[in-house]
Amino acid sequence: GAVVSQHPSWVICKSGTSVKIECRSLDFQATTMFWYRQFPKQSLMLMATSNEGSKATYEQGVEKDKFLINHASLTLSTLTVTSAHPEDSSFYICSAPTSGRPDTQYFGPGTRLTVL
Amino acid sequence: GESVGLHLPTLSVQEGDNSIINCAYSNSASDYFIWYKQESGKGPQFIIDIRSNMDKRQGQRVTVLLNKTVKHLSLQIAATQPGDSAVYFCAENKNTGGFKTIFGAGTRLFVKA
Repeated sequence: GAVVSQHPSWVICKSGTSVKIECRSLDFQATTMFWYRQFPKQSLMLMATSNEGSKATYEQGVEKDKFLINHASLTLSTLTVTSAHPEDSSFYICSAPTSGRPDTQYFGPGTRLTVL
Repeated sequence: GESVGLHLPTLSVQEGDNSIINCAYSNSASDYFIWYKQESGKGPQFIIDIRSNMDKRQGQRVTVLLNKTVKHLSLQIAATQPGDSAVYFCAENKNTGGFKTIFGAGTRLFVKA
């Protein structure tokens, strides 16, 4: 099947710093990618839809100025957590569909962010 | 953001038994549903899907049942194996000009050898 990678797989940063997480589709192009956040023992929460060539669409309650999304190319989307705080510590997961259907959606392995 | 539920219920089964995992979805307009399996520290993996015009779909060792009247999904795993131990999420898809996958609460499945 298609492969979606994320980098880094884990990161520890100090409070107040910014952290960039990359999501890549390795063997297909993705005009749309999705970013999710998952707290321990909880479900995945959709944060935003990343669109190549246009602005990301954020879900209600997600601060666009704090979670900057850039869909730089057809194979790369980045999520930057700005001015990170301990409450931003979470598992961040991206996904990308190989076509415009949800059954073609592949998920990345996730990035564990810990903010000290 | 959207999600349903805060805590993970747990299901413990004996190896070889059948498992049934249940899920309630929220939007009667959702027309497509997926079950995902998530192992610790990894992203979700697709298991099986079903469209709203169906009430049952079978895969290899897995069956999904859809009851639209009560907005309920279930995943049945036959002859459960230790490798099936994971968290299972149902997800509904809302067609919003593209699509958006909204995850349900999830159930942690423990398989006892």
